[in-house]
Amino acid sequence: DADVTQTPRNRITKTGKRIMLECSQTKGHDRMYWYRQDPGLGLRLIYYSFDVKDINKGEISDGYSVSRQAQAKFSLSLESAIPNQTALYFCATSDLGTGADTQYFGPGTRLTVL
Amino acid sequence: AQSVAQPEDQVNVAEGNPLTVKCTYSVSGNPYLFWYVQYPNRGLQFLLKYITGDNLVKGSYGFEAEFNKSQTSFHLKKPSALVSDSALYFCAVRDDTNAGKSTFGDGTTLTVKP
Repeated sequence: DADVTQTPRNRITKTGKRIMLECSQTKGHDRMYWYRQDPGLGLRLIYYSFDVKDINKGEISDGYSVSRQAQAKFSLSLESAIPNQTALYFCATSDLGTGADTQYFGPGTRLTVL
Repeated sequence: AQSVAQPEDQVNVAEGNPLTVKCTYSVSGNPYLFWYVQYPNRGLQFLLKYITGDNLVKGSYGFEAEFNKSQTSFHLKKPSALVSDSALYFCAVRDDTNAGKSTFGDGTTLTVKP
């Protein structure tokens, strides 16, 4: 089984709809991240969480919100989706200890907003 | 503050030739450095990291990277490129003076031609 899973893998929705992307991990890591990837723009950090009670905005948090329901679960919500949120979304986890913050990524969610 | 730069958007090499993907960084303390690879339609995968010790780090799939403190660089190398190495490569850095998140470069697309 994959260590970091994302659901759904693909989603097509309409402008104005609320969308939730879910991420689960079995690595036991405290740190979790949400990124979006657009062609030619690399990875951009949306939100990150260093433990269940810690939520931090990344560089492009406007229009997004997150929930850290448990150590293993970190959800990303688009409150009212717009077409420029069409992108590939990745969840990641890391361990600051032995891994020095090596990040482990999920397979991604391809979101299309019409 | 920490930052990382990948000066080349694209690198093209012929199969069998050596390849280099460049990365430079800036940190206040000592760097933890990482390389990740993203194959088409896949999530990012960890390749290798430098934390301390030998300046030459060996990783997955025959890749290696050389840490050069005086030049603040961490270039990714492989002696003989394969067509299957064609992918998007990301460099990342974390400053050891803080417990914060890593910073990713914009990525370099490597194309290996037969």
